[in-house]
Amino acid sequence: SQQGEEDPQALSIQEGENATMNCSYKTSINNLQWYRQNSGRGLVHLILIRSNEREKHSGRLRVTLDTSKKSSSLLITASRAADTASYFCATAAANFGNEKLTFGTGTRLTIIP
Amino acid sequence: DSGVTQTPKHLITATGQRVTLRCSPRSGDLSVYWYQQSLDQGLQFLIQYYNGEERAKGNILERFSAQQFPDLHSELNLSSLELGDSALYFCASSVGGTGGAYGYTFGSGTRLTVV
Repeated sequence: SQQGEEDPQALSIQEGENATMNCSYKTSINNLQWYRQNSGRGLVHLILIRSNEREKHSGRLRVTLDTSKKSSSLLITASRAADTASYFCATAAANFGNEKLTFGTGTRLTIIP
Repeated sequence: DSGVTQTPKHLITATGQRVTLRCSPRSGDLSVYWYQQSLDQGLQFLIQYYNGEERAKGNILERFSAQQFPDLHSELNLSSLELGDSALYFCASSVGGTGGAYGYTFGSGTRLTVV
């Protein structure tokens, strides 16, 4: 079963615009991570935010975490064609000792040149 | 190249057959995780090994089994294959047993097609 649900399922924007995708999860977590997957390829780790953090930045990426609402958002600023990919949130459950990550359903992002 | 090597990249086989997928983790990583990705089920955790020992088990069918060898490579064995087993199978690795604490490094996957 999926821990996280991403919203929207698909998003198309013009190059240069900002892209925002959201993730909701169900149980208490130790951290939340975002991954990118280019079509049919392996997932690439983008950023990790711990449960005691509210916001984190990495280059053009900004992640927020609201543990009271069990939700997170990923913002990609000044999008580029190379950002076209599927984006997944993944949670490390607080009661599972961090052994495994549970992935959401993903958002398919398309950047239109 | 992520450092996690999966072979083969593609596999086509008939129903009822058995296949073995292989994974070599990134140098220095002790944990290996196996995931199945299909269109209808998304990314499903199958099993984790840490330094040769099974550490966590997910939605892995009884027809599937895995192991991690002393050199830390891992193999996922799928038997009595069904059409519904067609999917991308990913291996990921992390340094410690608590890979969720720092993130995974994924391989490029094995695309299994059962015909």
